[in-house]
Amino acid sequence: AQSVAQPEDQVNVAEGNPLTVKCTYSVSGNPYLFWYVQYPNRGLQFLLKYITGDNLVKGSYGFEAEFNKSQTSFHLKKPSALVSDSALYFCAVNPGGYQKVTFGTGTKLQVIP
Amino acid sequence: DADVTQTPRNRITKTGKRIMLECSQTKGHDRMYWYRQDPGLGLRLIYYSFDVKDINKGEISDGYSVSRQAQAKFSLSLESAIPNQTALYFCATSDGLTVWTGELFFGEGSRLTVL
Repeated sequence: AQSVAQPEDQVNVAEGNPLTVKCTYSVSGNPYLFWYVQYPNRGLQFLLKYITGDNLVKGSYGFEAEFNKSQTSFHLKKPSALVSDSALYFCAVNPGGYQKVTFGTGTKLQVIP
Repeated sequence: DADVTQTPRNRITKTGKRIMLECSQTKGHDRMYWYRQDPGLGLRLIYYSFDVKDINKGEISDGYSVSRQAQAKFSLSLESAIPNQTALYFCATSDGLTVWTGELFFGEGSRLTVL
């Protein structure tokens, strides 16, 4: 069975500093990986996805994520954090073809002015 | 207007009452899902439907039922609500073109409180 781990419940970063939100996964075969963001009182919004190809994936709002197959990780990154990036971030995995996406428990990102 | 609309957005009810949460979408997607979000647990899949005649249980379907009335409508029912069903519920959709990626489009959520 597939699983996703987000080891940090909360990440605090100063505005303007780089940020990383961690995600590791366990799945058979080649995974499809996603990051979603949830702002307060809103639904989840798609940020980016890795399907195949370049291990560095670029997404919305200046975010990017790096797929590392040997470490089974898909960490979310941004070179310079904004206060408006403060939200709840979810990593998700689809083992392929089955449409049963498994979500991590979420990481709350707090960007401090 | 939102592409995926959930009603009601907030509901408070009592133990034992029947509750229906409704979802409608204008994205033209075939596939629809109901997820439940609890703090510290992330999102868990309750039911999913790949088309009007196809309904499948997710990982936490006990205590819930669904109805796919049309391609655009997918309702979640709690026949006899209990307090541990207090949660934020999300409807999501995906199209057949992205079947092999799993990208989902979410509604704004329905917050249910069972007293």
